[in-house]
Amino acid sequence: GNSVTQMEGPVTLSEEAFLTINCTYTATGYPSLFWYVQYPGEGLQLLLKATKADDKGSNKGFEATYRKETTSFHLEKGSVQVSDSAVYFCASSSGYSTLTFGKGTMLLVSP
Amino acid sequence: SQTIHQWPATLVQPVGSPLSLECTVEGTSNPNLYWYRQAAGRGLQLLFYSVGIGQISSEVPQNLSASRPQDRQFILSSKKLLLSDSGFYLCAWPRQLGELFFGEGSRLTVL
Repeated sequence: GNSVTQMEGPVTLSEEAFLTINCTYTATGYPSLFWYVQYPGEGLQLLLKATKADDKGSNKGFEATYRKETTSFHLEKGSVQVSDSAVYFCASSSGYSTLTFGKGTMLLVSP
Repeated sequence: SQTIHQWPATLVQPVGSPLSLECTVEGTSNPNLYWYRQAAGRGLQLLFYSVGIGQISSEVPQNLSASRPQDRQFILSSKKLLLSDSGFYLCAWPRQLGELFFGEGSRLTVL
């Protein structure tokens, strides 16, 4: 079955630092890929997505590129803010119209 | 507009007590619905999915059950809670291109 592996956290950065959160996947076929963000005490919100190889998803300064050759979908942001502190989940589409999620990576940004 | 609501938002229950968590969606009909559990350090685990009234599939054997009494209602239940049932429970339904739309979540603490 599908699986998603993302780097363990927490990732601790200072404001305006560069962010990378690694994500790799295994899947049959060509899944769609997603990054979700969960702010403290809330449900998950879609951050960005990519539906085919070489697609780049972007939103709120975050970017991720669907790399079929490396089966990766790493999340990046050039300059993080304190308000970006949250848990980030990488996910791939799987059976039953649902998603397979990674374990989540907590990001802590200090002023 | 499409919305998804969960309640209660927070619940503290003793071991051995029953549980009922509700999820209601608005603005869509015949949705597939999902229950996920987020436990500390374990990411998101799909518990149940439902493609329609009275149709429930379980992804993992456990102490919980689910029901779909109405098209827009999905209920998660237990007759006797265990300590290991503690977690953050999320209801979700799929939108376009595999994207999942999540409710606000219900945090359950079993003591």
